Amino acid sequence: EVQLLESGGGLVQPGGSLRLSCAASGFSFSTSVLTWVRQAPGKGLEWVSSINEHLDTYYADSVKGRFAVSRDNSKNTLFLQLNSLRAEDTAVYYCTKSSSRVTAIGDWGQGILVTVSS
Amino acid sequence: QSVLTQPPSVSAAPGQRVTISCAGSTSSIGNNFVSWYQQFPGTAPKLLIYDNNKRPSGIPDRFSGSKSGTSAALGIAGLQTGDEADYYCGTWDSSLSAMVFGGGTKLSVL
Repeated sequence: EVQLLESGGGLVQPGGSLRLSCAASGFSFSTSVLTWVRQAPGKGLEWVSSINEHLDTYYADSVKGRFAVSRDNSKNTLFLQLNSLRAEDTAVYYCTKSSSRVTAIGDWGQGILVTVSS
Repeated sequence: QSVLTQPPSVSAAPGQRVTISCAGSTSSIGNNFVSWYQQFPGTAPKLLIYDNNKRPSGIPDRFSGSKSGTSAALGIAGLQTGDEADYYCGTWDSSLSAMVFGGGTKLSVL
């Protein structure tokens, strides 16, 4: 069974930083495409970033230059470094695993809340 | 404003069929596969359809997907009250080099 467990969320001031982690199990982590998707309170889904098995990374324009995705295949853990945080980054962040292609997201974590506020 | 356009809400009676549309562009839906997600309040989304019309294991055949040109659609037959949820389409946008989602459609089963 695929399990994705996010941690590291919480309250941070505007301009601050946070590092999200996602501990994965139940699948071949090193060969999987992994993606962060976020959802602001009461809003729709927003793709944030993806990283493939070759360590190629992709970012939404809204976070490019501020967020950085990485993975530690030895620890089956996905990371998202969030810098220069803004109020509009407030959202539930989901760690996800893609199936046949990056946009077929078959597995989702339970999500973790990041709140950016003074 | 989302790259993919969905109606904000749709409604139908139990037992009926409903279709949720998703309009994109050549660089998004036109040249890429579409997936659909179901989300209940307070829970993570769930993959319903991928590669335009394929269902993951465990998804009932009441759910179907189609694509034509730069638009896609999710069909739900034999509506049940338990189908009340938000539905999102998603695809890759080749021009943006990014995954894009529709704004979501709230389904009400009256």
